[in-house]
Amino acid sequence: DAGVIQSPRHEVTEMGQEVTLRCKLISGHNSLFWYRQTMMRGLELLIYFNNNVPIDDSGMPEDRFSAKMPNASFSTLKIQPSEPRDSAVYFCASSTRQSRGNEQFFGPGTRLTVL
Amino acid sequence: SQQGEEDPQALSIQEGENATMNCSYKTSINNLQWYRQNSGRGLVHLILIRSNEREKHSGRLRVTLDTSKKSSSLLITASRAADTASYFCATDGEGGSEKLVFGKGTKLTVNP
Repeated sequence: DAGVIQSPRHEVTEMGQEVTLRCKLISGHNSLFWYRQTMMRGLELLIYFNNNVPIDDSGMPEDRFSAKMPNASFSTLKIQPSEPRDSAVYFCASSTRQSRGNEQFFGPGTRLTVL
Repeated sequence: SQQGEEDPQALSIQEGENATMNCSYKTSINNLQWYRQNSGRGLVHLILIRSNEREKHSGRLRVTLDTSKKSSSLLITASRAADTASYFCATDGEGGSEKLVFGKGTKLTVNP
C-alpha cells in the first residue's frame, strides 16, 4: 500500500488566493483527520470524518476553512481567502476501527506558505 | 488546552546513551500513543499503551504509564544517530473517541 498521499507537497501563494489541499486515504480506512502544525501551536486537529461524515470540526479556525470528503478515499481542505497566518504544514491522517487503539497513519504533509 | 505535554522540549545526547521523554495529560484516557516525526515528514506511530497497562516494550523502546499521576514516559535505549527526531505523545478522548490530542513534542538529537 502506498500509504496516505497528500498533494501538493509544497504550495506558495499570495494572500487572498484560494488554496486546495488534497488527501487520499489508505485503502480500507474509514476515518480521516486534517491537522495543522506550526512551531507556535504544535499539531492541531482541524476536523475529522468517519465514513465520509464530518464528526468534529471544532478545530477549524474560521469560515475561511472548509473540508469535504466527496468519496470514501479522498478529501480536500480548502482555504478561501488565504492569509499569511495560515502558513503551516498541513497533514492528513487516516485510520480504521480495526487499527490498534485508533492508530493514525499520517501523510507526508503539505507545506503552505502564504505571502 | 493541550491534553499531552512532553518534557523536556529538547534533549541532546550521545550515541549509545539512553533517552527518556515524559508526557503528562489532564483527563481520563483509554490509551496513550507515542509517535515519531523526522524533520520534514509526517508522524509515524511507535507504540500504544492501554490504560490498564503499566509498561510495554517494543525493541529498544520502553513505555510506562502511571494513570494515577496522568503521566507516561518513553525510554529509547542504546540510542543511535538515526533516532534523531521529534517524539510526541497522543491521548484519546473519553468514551472511545477516535480523536487524538497531541503534545508539542520533545526534539531529540543523538550526536554520533
